[in-house]
Order: sequence, then structure tokens, then C-alpha cells
Amino acid sequence: EDQVTQSPEALRLQEGESSSLNCSYTVSGLRGLFWYRQDPGKGPEFLFTLYSAGEEKEKERLKATLTKKESFLHITAPKPEDSATYLCAVQGAQKLVFGQGTRLTINP
Amino acid sequence: KAGVTQTPRYLIKTRGQQVTLSCSPISGHRSVSWYQQTPGQGLQFLFEYFSETQRNKGNFPGRFSGRQFSNSRSEMNVSTLELGDSALYLCASSAEFREEQYFGPGTRLTVT
Repeated sequence: EDQVTQSPEALRLQEGESSSLNCSYTVSGLRGLFWYRQDPGKGPEFLFTLYSAGEEKEKERLKATLTKKESFLHITAPKPEDSATYLCAVQGAQKLVFGQGTRLTINP
Repeated sequence: KAGVTQTPRYLIKTRGQQVTLSCSPISGHRSVSWYQQTPGQGLQFLFEYFSETQRNKGNFPGRFSGRQFSNSRSEMNVSTLELGDSALYLCASSAEFREEQYFGPGTRLTVT
């Protein structure tokens, strides 16, 4: 069965303090790995798609990378507005499977 | 381009009742998926429709059903509501299968 595990569950950083979020996965036939951002009371907002090991994508302060077993979301010099829950999901043969998310808080 | 819209945004129902939720995908998107989100279980896949056909189904009881219309709009129905059905129900659309999905704001269902 396809599985996604995200760590840590929660992370508190000071503004400007860079860090990384981890997404470990097992899937039979990866067809895509997705990162989403979710603010309280809202639907997830699409960030990145990664398809193969070695691929990297960047958007503002965020950079996503992919290996054969895990993906990292690197956040560089974060700002308070980056506070949100970050969700990782893998697309297998039939459905999209989500991890539990990492709740990120950036203190000013 | 307008995003995914869901109606209603909030709903309160009593145990045993049934409910219908509606989703309008992004214009041009033919795939619509439904998810249930709860604090304990996270985002759980319910089902996916493409061109009015259910292509995939998650591990939910038969009380959960859905359909898609020719204009790609979709509805989800839950019959005989239970307290445990209280959740945020999210709809997502994509242009094709296995491409990134774009989510709506969700419908917050509370069962009392």
C-alpha cells in the first residue's frame, strides 16, 4: 500500500532561520510527488510537482527536491507569512496519497 | 481563471440525515476528486471522476457516493450521517489524471 510519512509534525523557526521539511514515501510506480501549502480553514494550495529522482523546483523562498525514497522542502530565510501546514502527496497507480503534514510556524 | 468552487461552505446536519455537496471545477478540467480531511486521519481520498465515470474509489463505506455531470460539475452524497462524518470535505480538479490537483475551499460538515 502506498504510504507517505512527513517529519517533523510541527516546526517553529525564527524569521530568517532556514530549515527543511522531510517527506518519505513508498509507492508502487511513482507518477508524481506533490507539495501543497494549507492555511487554517482553507483548501490546500498547489506548490510543486516532482516526477523523477534528482529533480528540483524553486519558488520564492521554497525549494523542493526528490530522491528515490524521499523529498525535501527547503525553506530559506522564511518570513511569518510562510507559516502554514505543508502537505506532501504521492500519485501512484490509482490515487493521490497524502502525508499528515508539517505545521510550520515562523516567529517574527 | 476562476478556481474550484464548493457549496455550501458550512453545513450542520443531524445523525441519520443525508447531505449533498457540490463542486464546480476549474474551467476545462475534466477530472474531479473528493477528499475527507479530519485532524486525526488527515486527507483521505474518497473518489475520482473523469468524464462522468468514477475511475477510482477510496476505502469508504457505500454511504458515500458521488457523480459527475456532463459539464464536469460534481456532487457528493453521504447518506445516514454518523457523528464520525464530521469533517472538511474537499474537492479538487485537474486537467488530466496524474497532474497537479487544484483544491476548492472545502465544505465544513458538522454532524450532531
